[in-house]
Amino acid sequence: AQSVTQPDIHITVSEGASLELRCNYSYGATPYLFWYVQSPGQGLQLLLKYFSGDTLVQGIKGFEAEFKRSQSSFNLRKPSVHWSDAAEYFCAVGVYTGTASKLTFGTGTRLQVTL
Amino acid sequence: NAGVTQTPKFRILKIGQSMTLQCTQDMNHNYMYWYRQDPGMGLKLIYYSVGAGITDKGEVPNGYNVSRSTTEDFPLRLELAAPSQTSVYFCASSYSIVDQETQYFGPGTRLLVL
Repeated sequence: AQSVTQPDIHITVSEGASLELRCNYSYGATPYLFWYVQSPGQGLQLLLKYFSGDTLVQGIKGFEAEFKRSQSSFNLRKPSVHWSDAAEYFCAVGVYTGTASKLTFGTGTRLQVTL
Repeated sequence: NAGVTQTPKFRILKIGQSMTLQCTQDMNHNYMYWYRQDPGMGLKLIYYSVGAGITDKGEVPNGYNVSRSTTEDFPLRLELAAPSQTSVYFCASSYSIVDQETQYFGPGTRLLVL
């Protein structure tokens, strides 16, 4: 069965600093990978997704992620963090079962931004 | 275009009570999903639907029921509320069912069972 690990429960960065959130997955086939962001009291919003092709994926709000098959990783990065980026970030792997597409989520990383 | 909407936003239930969490999407998506999110955990799939009249169990279906009479609506019912069902519930929808398809999420319903 597929699984997703986000090793960092909580990260604090200063505004303007760079950010990297880690995500490792376990899946036997080609993974379809997603990063979602959840602001306080809100639902999940898709940041970016990887299906195939270029391993560096660009998303919204200046985020990018790099798929590294050899490391089973899909880390999320941003060169300069803004205070509004404070939120919880979820990595997920998508699996097509033949009847539906199911997402398996990691436990999330809470990002705090200091001014 | 409101996307995925959920009601209520917050509810307190007593043990043994029942309630229905409402979910509606206006994107004409065939596929809809219910997840629960427990503190410090990722989202877990409760039930999903691939179209009107067709539903199936997800990872954690016990204690819940769903129905899908229209494309737009996918209510989740708790028949006998238990403290273990205290959670935040998210509804989502997608246009298709391939792996690459993006799921769009509602704002969530926070449920407290006392």
